[in-house]
Amino acid sequence: EAGVAQSPRYKIIEKRQSVAFWCNPISGHATLYWYQQILGQGPKLLIQFQNNGVVDDSQLPKDRFSAERLKGVDSTLKIQPAKLEDSAVYLCASSSPGQVITEAFFGQGTRLTVV
Amino acid sequence: AQSVTQPDIHITVSEGASLELRCNYSYGATPYLFWYVQSPGQGLQLLLKYFSGDTLVQGIKGFEAEFKRSQSSFNLRKPSVHWSDAAEYFCAVSSTSYDKVIFGPGTSLSVIP
Repeated sequence: EAGVAQSPRYKIIEKRQSVAFWCNPISGHATLYWYQQILGQGPKLLIQFQNNGVVDDSQLPKDRFSAERLKGVDSTLKIQPAKLEDSAVYLCASSSPGQVITEAFFGQGTRLTVV
Repeated sequence: AQSVTQPDIHITVSEGASLELRCNYSYGATPYLFWYVQSPGQGLQLLLKYFSGDTLVQGIKGFEAEFKRSQSSFNLRKPSVHWSDAAEYFCAVSSTSYDKVIFGPGTSLSVIP
């Protein structure tokens, strides 16, 4: 079974520039998450999708961050404009809620450096 | 609101010694509990999970964890640590299979040869 795919693996941008990350979840997984992990901290949930609908985006800085999952499969997370404090690893995860409870499976992440 | 605390920021153990990593959670109902491991440059890998039933759960790589409702704890243990166990360990909690997973701040484990 293929895992959660993320690209790019690394990205360096200047502050005020824009950046986009892509995630392809495990086939059949209806739930998709984007987490932000700042160095030395645990992952923080940014947004959770159930199919193509948003379940929770309470911690997403909506003035600069946006995410979409138009067809209920892959997803993109965008930052515009980026700030220095956005430097972090952005993790995508997916799970398959339902009668059979599963855990979230994580991709390897995209490491963003804002200079 | 759900929350997870991991009191130990960093732990150092000798190879072959036993290990216990602490995790405490705050949640009103019975939570779903997880332990993940993150090696440098890698994504998060699930070690074990607790949903219901036997409070002592076995995971991969020789790890186990015990759910203690009275103490709101879910501590991770390993009887004999290997050098390859050096990594960051995260405890996490969720309320249902549809709910978000909340992570603790993590415990960094170093292993001395």
